[in-house]
Amino acid sequence: DIQMTQPPSSLSASVGDRVTITCQASQDISNHVNWYQQKPGKAPNLLIYDASNLHSGVPSRFSATGSGTDFSFTINNLQPEDVATYYCLQYHNLPRTFGPGTKVDVK
Amino acid sequence: QVQLVQSGSEVKKPGASVKISCKASGYTFSDSLMNWVRQAPGQGLEWMGWINPNTGNPTYAQGFTGRFVFSVDTSVNTAYVQISSLKPEDSAVYYCARGFTIGDFWGQGTPVTVSS
Repeated sequence: DIQMTQPPSSLSASVGDRVTITCQASQDISNHVNWYQQKPGKAPNLLIYDASNLHSGVPSRFSATGSGTDFSFTINNLQPEDVATYYCLQYHNLPRTFGPGTKVDVK
Repeated sequence: QVQLVQSGSEVKKPGASVKISCKASGYTFSDSLMNWVRQAPGQGLEWMGWINPNTGNPTYAQGFTGRFVFSVDTSVNTAYVQISSLKPEDSAVYYCARGFTIGDFWGQGTPVTVSS
């Protein structure tokens, strides 16, 4: 199975800050990564697909890059409504595997 | 518009069974795989497997074989997961999510509580 590591497990930043989350795959997964935002009590919401493509309707302050084994996700100009847990997912192989998640708080 | 609407919350005793439904609308049900994802309280997302509505063929992740059964009823555009011999550790929110890449459409989640 492909393991996805996702440091850090949590972080706190100020409104307006840039926040970067990384995701590392245990083997080459090309660009087969999605990024999701999950707010408490809600289903995950797709933000990024194919490692770097912004899903329709997602604010442009969200971006991501990467290929192979190393991926990163960035929130520019952090807003209070961005408080959530963010997950990466690899869909290169079965079983699909999620990263453990990064909880983002606003100071 | 595409929608996945899941059945409501469940409270069960250990050893019982539960069947969760996920009704799809707004697209051709047989055209997309249906995934099931589990989220235990305070924990991350775990892929349980998927089912091909066109063939009814399920694929299960390790750890979700035996007591977990995926099924579909194409006449009502609905996918199901049945969990038998429930254990307290099955307490979680269960999500259905459409597509080979688990993209942009998820159900709202079905909380299942297993407690004596």
